[in-house]
Formats: sequence, C-alpha cells, structure tokens
Amino acid sequence: SAVISQKPSRDICQRGTSLTIQCQVDSQVTMMFWYRQQPGQSLTLIATANQGSEATYESGFVIDKFPISRPNLTFSTLTVSNMSPEDSSIYLCSVWDVKGSYEQYFGPGTRLTVT
Amino acid sequence: GQQVMQIPQYQHVQEGEDFTTYCNSSTTLSNIQWYKQRPGGHPVFLIQLVKSGEVKKQKRLTFQFGEAKKNSSLHITATQTTDVGTYFCAGSFTGGGNKLTFGTGTQLKVEL
Repeated sequence: SAVISQKPSRDICQRGTSLTIQCQVDSQVTMMFWYRQQPGQSLTLIATANQGSEATYESGFVIDKFPISRPNLTFSTLTVSNMSPEDSSIYLCSVWDVKGSYEQYFGPGTRLTVT
Repeated sequence: GQQVMQIPQYQHVQEGEDFTTYCNSSTTLSNIQWYKQRPGGHPVFLIQLVKSGEVKKQKRLTFQFGEAKKNSSLHITATQTTDVGTYFCAGSFTGGGNKLTFGTGTQLKVEL
C-alpha cells in the first residue's frame, strides 16, 4: 500500500488568488491522479499526472486553470489558479502503481474555501 | 461521456437491517471497483470485480458484477454502525487505462 500526504490540509483563499496543493507519496508510483470532490458529491477526475510527461486533463478542466507538476515518482502539485467561489471543494490526489495491486490509494484531501 | 449512476442516493437503516446499493453504467465496463468513504475521510478501496457475473464476498459484504458488465451491486448483511459512510462504485472503461469514473455514491446511515 501507499501512504500519501497532502499539504495544506485546508485553506481559505480570496478570489483571484492561486493555491498550490502538494501531494507526497512514501514510495515511487507510476500514475498520480487529481480529483475534485464538492461537499456531498462524488469524485470528479481533473487530470492524470505521469512523471516525465504533460498531465492529461479531463473534459472541462484546462491546464491554465489547474497547472500540474510531476517532477519525480513520489511528488506532484496541483495549482488552482485565479480562484472563484465555485472552486471551493476538496481536492484529492491518488496514486496507482503498475508494480503493485490495482486499487488507487487516496490522500487525505485539501479542503479549499474561496471567499 | 461515460456516466456511472448509483441508487439510492441515501439510505437510512436500523442496525441489523440489510443494505444494498446499485451501480449502473451507460457503457460496458472493463472492471469495477468499490470504495468506502467515511464522513470527513477519503475513499478507501474495498474490492475490484473483473469478470462478467462475478460475485465476491468480504465478511458481511457481497459484491456482484452484472453479466453484461454494465451494472454492479454491493449488499451488506446485518448492518453495523461501523458501516456508516458513502459507498462509491468506480468503473474503468476499455481504452481508458487506469482512469476511474466514480459513481454518484450512496450515503448509508445506520441508527441504533
């Protein structure tokens, strides 16, 4: 299994600003995913981040709004840019490793409130 | 795009009663996973089903994958207060790699 930490755990930000969320894994993993979960809702995949390549974004999400970095096999960042209240949500990273089993492991999430 | 729906959205049961959540996909799945999310927590993997008609059991939990690989169910026998949380199915589609599409979720509350 993989142990994942995220920073910050929560933040309150003003509209128009940007926040970078960090995701750290205790082992090297092949694939990292970023999800958004609005209160009481399901998880929506934002993008897939593979080391050494550009992130792949899902429909409705663009790189200018959610730039992602994946500098190595244990770390990734997601930036929420030019925030609006509609960006208030929980952001979760998850990992999947081709060498391991097939399930995804999730980080504890970052609770973002935009005022 | 691919959609995965779950019913019911909410379920309140008395402790000891059974509970079932149903998951339906708009298109055929290559496999389906189930996750549990406790209040304030993150999703935790429960199981993966791959084969058509597959049935797997984990203690009081029974998971089924439909013959057409477009639907699945999770049944909990004799619920306990520790079963409280939201149950999500998450499907992988052919050609989608390891990308998961999460279902809408079923929130379970268990009352004493």
